Amino acid sequence: SQQGEEDPQALSIQEGENATMNCSYKTSINNLQWYRQNSGRGLVHLILIRSNEREKHSGRLRVTLDTSKKSSSLLITASRAADTASYFCATDNTPPGYSTLTFGKGTMLLVSP
Amino acid sequence: DGGITQSPKYLFRKEGQNVTLSCEQNLNHDAMYWYRQDPGQGLRLIYYSQIVNDFQKGDIAEGYSVSREKKESFPLTVTSAQKNPTAFYLCASSIAGSGANVLTFGAGSRLTVL
Repeated sequence: SQQGEEDPQALSIQEGENATMNCSYKTSINNLQWYRQNSGRGLVHLILIRSNEREKHSGRLRVTLDTSKKSSSLLITASRAADTASYFCATDNTPPGYSTLTFGKGTMLLVSP
Repeated sequence: DGGITQSPKYLFRKEGQNVTLSCEQNLNHDAMYWYRQDPGQGLRLIYYSQIVNDFQKGDIAEGYSVSREKKESFPLTVTSAQKNPTAFYLCASSIAGSGANVLTFGAGSRLTVL
């Protein structure tokens, strides 16, 4: 079952611009994570935000979480061509000890020089 | 360097054949996972294992089998019963019971059925 849904499906911007991706989910969560995937490669963890947190920063990344709206956003500031990748949100909504993540379909980000 | 090694990177199979994808990790992680990714799709969970000699079915386990005889290894067999096996397969691992299930992924194995 697909828990998270990213929006938009694809995003094309110029270097230096900010990129915002959104994720909506359906059930209550323990935490929400964002991952990045370069074409044909494995996923890399970017950032985790817990259900009792509202905002988190890591370098040029800013993540927000609104549990009342069941949504999260990932902001990448001052984008670079190297940020070109697919970005996935993943929700952890399983009981402790049986933890699995449910991934959305992703947002493809293209950053042009 | 610690990480997850998946092999082979590319695999071709004729219909009716079973194939086994290898996944090895040296991170000392307790939990291991197999996900399937289709073009333009998210990841779907096939199987996962929290401890040695134990594993659970994910959302799309039909046509797949796994074993977990060693902590470091979690091979996935794609059987002939899997009707549409062409996909990108990703293995991942995590520290069980950490309170935040952050996954470390391998580079993936791309299976094509001819």
